[in-house]
Amino acid sequence: GEQVEQRPPHLSVREGDSAVITCTYTDPNSYYFFWYKQEPGASLQLLMKVFSSTEINEGQGFTVLLNKKDKRLSLNLTAAHPGDSAAYFCAVRKNSNNRIFFGDGTQLVVKP
Amino acid sequence: DPKIIQKPKYLVAVTGSEKILICEQYLGHNAMYWYRQSAKKPLEFMFSYSYQKLMDNQTASSRFQPQSSKKNHLDLQITALKPDDSATYFCASSQDPRNTEVFFGKGTRLTVV
Repeated sequence: GEQVEQRPPHLSVREGDSAVITCTYTDPNSYYFFWYKQEPGASLQLLMKVFSSTEINEGQGFTVLLNKKDKRLSLNLTAAHPGDSAAYFCAVRKNSNNRIFFGDGTQLVVKP
Repeated sequence: DPKIIQKPKYLVAVTGSEKILICEQYLGHNAMYWYRQSAKKPLEFMFSYSYQKLMDNQTASSRFQPQSSKKNHLDLQITALKPDDSATYFCASSQDPRNTEVFFGKGTRLTVV
């Protein structure tokens, strides 16, 4: 089955710095890619979904880059602020079924 | 205002006992799922249901049995509990099985002692 490796497991940055989280996956048939944010005691919140035809997506304060050739997905939080402190998970799904495979997560801490 | 309600939030159980984790969604979705997150593994897919029917099952053990009494309910019964079952169990839902947007509940943290 699919294997998703997420790095780093822990990340600490200063307010205003950028924070980059990267995932690599193994299955070339993966078609949908997701980033979720989970604050303490809360559910997973979908930040962005990316399809195979999309390489760069920009959201509010972050950019998602998909490189299908390298099977790499990254989340770049630009100018991070303390409210971005949370666990972030990448996730990958094939087109053929609805199983979502998650990375191990990255615990991000943004210090003021 | 949570639209996917999981109960209880925390649960402590004795080895060998049986527990039921409750999940209700008020999003009008037709597909529901269970995922498990333990200390040693990432979030793992367990089951998917669509229109109250089992669509996909990744759980090897028959000790885990989903139960869907209503379209917006998908409970998880776990029998003969073991310490290795200790994890946070997340319920999720989507409009239908092919919909890529999956919404998650807050989870039930189960500890088996």
